[in-house]
Amino acid sequence: DTGVSQNPRHKITKRGQNVTFRCDPISEHNRLYWYRQTLGQGPEFLTYFQNEAQLEKSRLLSDRFSAERPKGSFSTLEIQRTEQGDSAMYLCASRGDYGYTFGSGTRLTVV
Amino acid sequence: GQQVMQIPQYQHVQEGEDFTTYCNSSTTLSNIQWYKQRPGGHPVFLIQLVKSGEVKKQKRLTFQFGEAKKNSSLHITATQTTDVGTYFCAGNTDKLIFGTGTRLQVFP
Repeated sequence: DTGVSQNPRHKITKRGQNVTFRCDPISEHNRLYWYRQTLGQGPEFLTYFQNEAQLEKSRLLSDRFSAERPKGSFSTLEIQRTEQGDSAMYLCASRGDYGYTFGSGTRLTVV
Repeated sequence: GQQVMQIPQYQHVQEGEDFTTYCNSSTTLSNIQWYKQRPGGHPVFLIQLVKSGEVKKQKRLTFQFGEAKKNSSLHITATQTTDVGTYFCAGNTDKLIFGTGTRLQVFP
């Protein structure tokens, strides 16, 4: 499979718990992006990496959110002390010469 | 910050009718991309427009980039049920800034 892979596909967690998502981009793409999408809305930019360097973080990314890409390959997005407002689809994308290739996303539900 | 708006928000059409969605940016764009997201799916890249006034076609889909590079449109001729989904434009700089999307429903 040469696409962008995300896991888990679904995550249900209790409020206050920590969660971590993983994204494996297309191997030859050096830019990796995280987006968040809620129902009926367009994807909102969270952060992006070029290789292992995190180049930009959105104001949407509070202190409870952290993203890493330690070896410039896969990336993780961690949310600490989850809140109900964190419930959303978290999308990862890697960027090629033209368009971005998105993964299938991780749907987070905070109960 | 940059904002990208799309109209209409929803469009319901009978199969065979045409469909158009319009995209407007608050700032001049270096290029614009269009994505389609099926219900329950993820955004899938359709096309990128770079030049002022550019027009590109993909079968029944026609994409235009405005002369001022602040607006764009997607026109679908003779819609089919397989066209159902939400169409997003996205301004592309270092990152994609997505529009609000137009949700298309096609009735057979």
